[in-house]
Amino acid sequence: AQRVTQPEKLLSVFKGAPVELKCNYSYSGSPELFWYVQYSRQRLQLLLRHISRESIKGFTADLNKGETSFHLKKPFAQEEDSAMYYCALSSSGGYNKLIFGAGTRLAVHP
Amino acid sequence: EAEVAQSPRYKITEKSQAVAFWCDPISGHATLYWYRQILGQGPELLVQFQDESVVDDSQLPKDRFSAERLKGVDSTLKIQPAELGDSAMYLCASSAPDRGMGEQYFGPGTRLTVT
Repeated sequence: AQRVTQPEKLLSVFKGAPVELKCNYSYSGSPELFWYVQYSRQRLQLLLRHISRESIKGFTADLNKGETSFHLKKPFAQEEDSAMYYCALSSSGGYNKLIFGAGTRLAVHP
Repeated sequence: EAEVAQSPRYKITEKSQAVAFWCDPISGHATLYWYRQILGQGPELLVQFQDESVVDDSQLPKDRFSAERLKGVDSTLKIQPAELGDSAMYLCASSAPDRGMGEQYFGPGTRLTVT
């Protein structure tokens, strides 16, 4: 079964500390992975996708097929990074669909 | 900047009543999605449209839920009759054909409370 697991419901760090939001997936095939973010009182929005291999707002994520992981990292957290983060997997076959994890709330304290 | 519109933003209804949600995607986005998000969980796809056609409704409880996108533009999701377990956030999203389905634009959602 295709599944996305985000083991932490809440990650609390201080400003300037490194951040790693964990995401593990199960998928039989070649996956496409995404991170979506929802800031307070805003809409859910795409943060980054693994095929772009880019850094957005200082965040990066590397797809590790061996460990079936797609962890989101940032070396120095900022207060404005506080938000809900969702990892998502694109399933294959026909019209693809996104499968979301349960999300991790990141709280960055001053 | 174009955004996905949804209405109403909040809806309180009694169980066994009918309820309907509306979504207007970004102009030119052929693919439209309805998700349900239960508190503490991630969004779960209920139905996906490509233009006016349903391409995935495998998770839609078809005994009580229905969705349509008659002209391939805006869409309506209906629940009849509503049950207590339907209380959730209902999200609409759309995607452009040249950006891949993974890049979805979400609306603000409709928070449904069934009493």
